[in-house]
Amino acid sequence: DTGVSQNPRHKITKRGQNVTFRCDPISEHNRLYWYRQTLGQGPEFLTYFQNEAQLEKSRLLSDRFSAERPKGSFSTLEIQRTEQGDSAMYLCASSDRGTSEQHLSYEQYFGPGTRLTVT
Amino acid sequence: AQSVAQPEDQVNVAEGNPLTVKCTYSVSGNPYLFWYVQYPNRGLQFLLKYITGDNLVKGSYGFEAEFNKSQTSFHLKKPSALVSDSALYFCAVRDIPNDYKLSFGAGTTVTVRA
Repeated sequence: DTGVSQNPRHKITKRGQNVTFRCDPISEHNRLYWYRQTLGQGPEFLTYFQNEAQLEKSRLLSDRFSAERPKGSFSTLEIQRTEQGDSAMYLCASSDRGTSEQHLSYEQYFGPGTRLTVT
Repeated sequence: AQSVAQPEDQVNVAEGNPLTVKCTYSVSGNPYLFWYVQYPNRGLQFLLKYITGDNLVKGSYGFEAEFNKSQTSFHLKKPSALVSDSALYFCAVRDIPNDYKLSFGAGTTVTVRA
C-alpha cells in the first residue's frame, strides 16, 4: 500500500468552470476527510465520510462544493462555477477503522494534495 | 470551539542545537493533540500524538513533545536539529468528546542552518 493518493496533482482552470478531484484512501481505512489549505495557513476542515456516509460538512463548503464517496472507497470533490477564491491546495486524509471512540485517537494520513489555480 | 495557536511563524536554529516549536490550544473538553510536518510539494506527515498518559510523547525522527495541561501547551522538541528537519510544522487538536475533526494551527517554518 502506497498511502493516500490524489489526482490530479495540479489543476489550472478558468473562472466559472467546474473541476473534480479524486482521492484514494489507504485501502483498509473507512474514514475519509477533505481539507483546504491556503498559503500561510494550516489545513481547514471541509467534510468527513465514514464509509459512504457524509457525516459532516463545514460552513466553508458552499453550495458550489459537493463531495461523494459512492462505494465507501475513493472519494471525489467537485467545485462548480469556480471562483478565484477557490484557489488553494485541497488535501485528502484517511484514518483507520475502529469504534466511534477509538477512531478519535487515530492519526489521519494525508495525501499529497491537489493544487487548484483559478484564473 | 477548539483552536490552536502557533505563536512563531519562523524558527531558525543551527544544526546540532536544540529545536523547539511552540503550540498552545483551546478546547472545551479534553484535547487530543497531534504534530504534523510538511515538506515542499508533499502532504502532511504524522510525527506524534498525545491522547492520554505520560505527558512526554516520543515520535518519529527523534522528535518529542510535552503536554502541559495547566499551560494548555504541546511544544514540539528535538534535542539536536538536523538540516533535513527544515520544513513546515503544524500542531493540531481534536476536542474530545465534542468533535472529531482536526483543527490546525497556521504552521511554523523551521530552518536549520548547517
